Amino acid sequence: AQSVTQLDSQVPVFEEAPVELRCNYSSSVSVYLFWYVQYPNQGLQLLLKYLSGSTLVKGINGFEAEFNKSQTSFHLRKPSVHISDTAEYFCAVRHYNQGGKLIFGQGTELSVKP
Amino acid sequence: DAEITQSPRHKITETGRQVTLACHQTWNHNNMFWYRQDLGHGLRLIHYSYGVQDTNKGEVSDGYSVSRSNTEDLPLTLESAASSQTSVYFCASSEFVGSETQYFGPGTRLLVL
Repeated sequence: AQSVTQLDSQVPVFEEAPVELRCNYSSSVSVYLFWYVQYPNQGLQLLLKYLSGSTLVKGINGFEAEFNKSQTSFHLRKPSVHISDTAEYFCAVRHYNQGGKLIFGQGTELSVKP
Repeated sequence: DAEITQSPRHKITETGRQVTLACHQTWNHNNMFWYRQDLGHGLRLIHYSYGVQDTNKGEVSDGYSVSRSNTEDLPLTLESAASSQTSVYFCASSEFVGSETQYFGPGTRLLVL
């Protein structure tokens, strides 16, 4: 069975600082990996996804993530955050041949302070 | 523009009542999903459907049911609401099996008293 662990429930940072949100997964088979963002009182929006190919994936709003198969990680990074990045971020995984079923992590609340 | 909508956006009900949450998408997507979001648990899959007349149980399906009579709609029914079902419910859709991006609705906040 697959599972996803987001190692930090809350990450406070100052504006223009770099940030890394950590995600580890466990699976015995090949998976696809995703990061979603949820702004307050809204649904989830896809930030980026890793399906295959280059292990460095670039997404919207200046975010990127690196797939590390040996460490089973998919950490999300941004070199300089803005106040508007304040949101909850979810890492998700799905088995490559299990249709659309996503397994989500617990979420990381990113709080950007001026 | 195509979209996915949920109604109601907020609902208060009493223990034991039957409640139905609506989900409607205009993308003509085959796949539709229902998740619940609870603090400390992220999103957990309740039920999903890969097409008309197809429904499948997810991770936390007890006490919930769905039916898919057309492509656009996947209503979620709580047969007899319990306080443990107080949560935020999200509907999502994706184009076809193997399609990698799910599109989420705005959510329904349900309070069971």
